[in-house]
Amino acid sequence: GNSVTQMEGPVTLSEEAFLTINCTYTATGYPSLFWYVQYPGEGLQLLLKATKADDKGSNKGFEATYRKETTSFHLEKGSVQVSDSAVYFCALSGYGGSQGNLIFGKGTKLSVKP
Amino acid sequence: EADIYQTPRYLVIGTGKKITLECSQTMGHDKMYWYQQDPGMELHLIHYSYGVNSTEKGDLSSESTVSRIRTEHFPLTLESARPSHTSQYLCASSTGTYNSPLHFGNGTRLTVT
Repeated sequence: GNSVTQMEGPVTLSEEAFLTINCTYTATGYPSLFWYVQYPGEGLQLLLKATKADDKGSNKGFEATYRKETTSFHLEKGSVQVSDSAVYFCALSGYGGSQGNLIFGKGTKLSVKP
Repeated sequence: EADIYQTPRYLVIGTGKKITLECSQTMGHDKMYWYQQDPGMELHLIHYSYGVNSTEKGDLSSESTVSRIRTEHFPLTLESARPSHTSQYLCASSTGTYNSPLHFGNGTRLTVT
């Protein structure tokens, strides 16, 4: 079945460091891929998405490219800020048996130190 | 501004009490969801709905029940709360189309003593 695997945290970085959070997926067909972010005490927010192979989603300095050949959608940011401290979830659109529901990874907690 | 609202934000209640967690959205979305989020942050889908009078069980078995009498409203009820129900509950909605993203509320943190 469809699944998402993302790197386990927590990830701790210094301000202005480069960020990569790995996400790989298993899916039939051509799912859409998403990154969501959850700030402390809040619900999840859509950060970016990509709907087909080679698409690059971007928002707030974050980027992720839909790589069908490596079944990956890694999240990157060139220079993180303290305000980026949050939990990040990779997700794919349900397809082929998930009743159209999103399938989420387990989340990666990022802490950025000043 | 269109949004999704959950009340209460925090709830501490004794064992055996009946509780209802409220969720409302103003976006006219057909599809709504309830997720349970454990302390390790992982999300578990416990209920969803395609529209009025539709309710479905999610991937994680739950003793809670839901109803969908109005498009905008998707309350979750626990008839008899237990300490094992202590968790964060997140409500979400979407248009229900294939690539549509989810919009989440800020959650209800439930503690059962």
